[in-house]
Amino acid sequence: EDQVTQSPEALRLQEGESSSLNCSYTVSGLRGLFWYRQDPGKGPEFLFTLYSAGEEKEKERLKATLTKKESFLHITAPKPEDSATYLCAVQAREGGGADGLTFGKGTHLIIQP
Amino acid sequence: SQTIHQWPATLVQPVGSPLSLECTVEGTSNPNLYWYRQAAGRGLQLLFYSVGIGQISSEVPQNLSASRPQDRQFILSSKKLLLSDSGFYLCAWSRPRNIQYFGAGTRLSVL
Repeated sequence: EDQVTQSPEALRLQEGESSSLNCSYTVSGLRGLFWYRQDPGKGPEFLFTLYSAGEEKEKERLKATLTKKESFLHITAPKPEDSATYLCAVQAREGGGADGLTFGKGTHLIIQP
Repeated sequence: SQTIHQWPATLVQPVGSPLSLECTVEGTSNPNLYWYRQAAGRGLQLLFYSVGIGQISSEVPQNLSASRPQDRQFILSSKKLLLSDSGFYLCAWSRPRNIQYFGAGTRLSVL
């Protein structure tokens, strides 16, 4: 069974204080690892897809990296508007016909001014 | 560009009442469609997916059902709601084996 564990569950940072969010996964053949951002009461917003170990992607203050067992979402010099819940999900190579994602519970990030 | 619509945004229903949530996608054809549920303290859980009209697969046994009467329409239903059906319901679409894009969600409270 595919599993995704995110840590920490919650993180409070000062504006400008860089940090990293962790996503550990077990999957029977990884097709892709996805990062989403979710604001309260809204649907998840796509950020990144990573497909193979060693791959990195960046968008503004966010950088996602992937190893064979985990992914990190690095946040550099965050601003209050980066406050949200960040979700990690995996898609298995052999999905049995379903491309459904297995999600972690998320990391609730608060950036204080 | 593609857009996905879900309604209603919020719903309060009594136990035992029926349910119908609708999702439509614009700007693409023959998308894969998904229903997820997000319960408090839990990750998003895949409930149903569909690769075409009338083709529905269920990932977990439950009190809910799904239908796809048209190419870009996906409906989540229940004949009799349970308290445990409360949660945040999300519809998503994707091209096969590609990124999933989510709607704004429906907050369902069963009382």
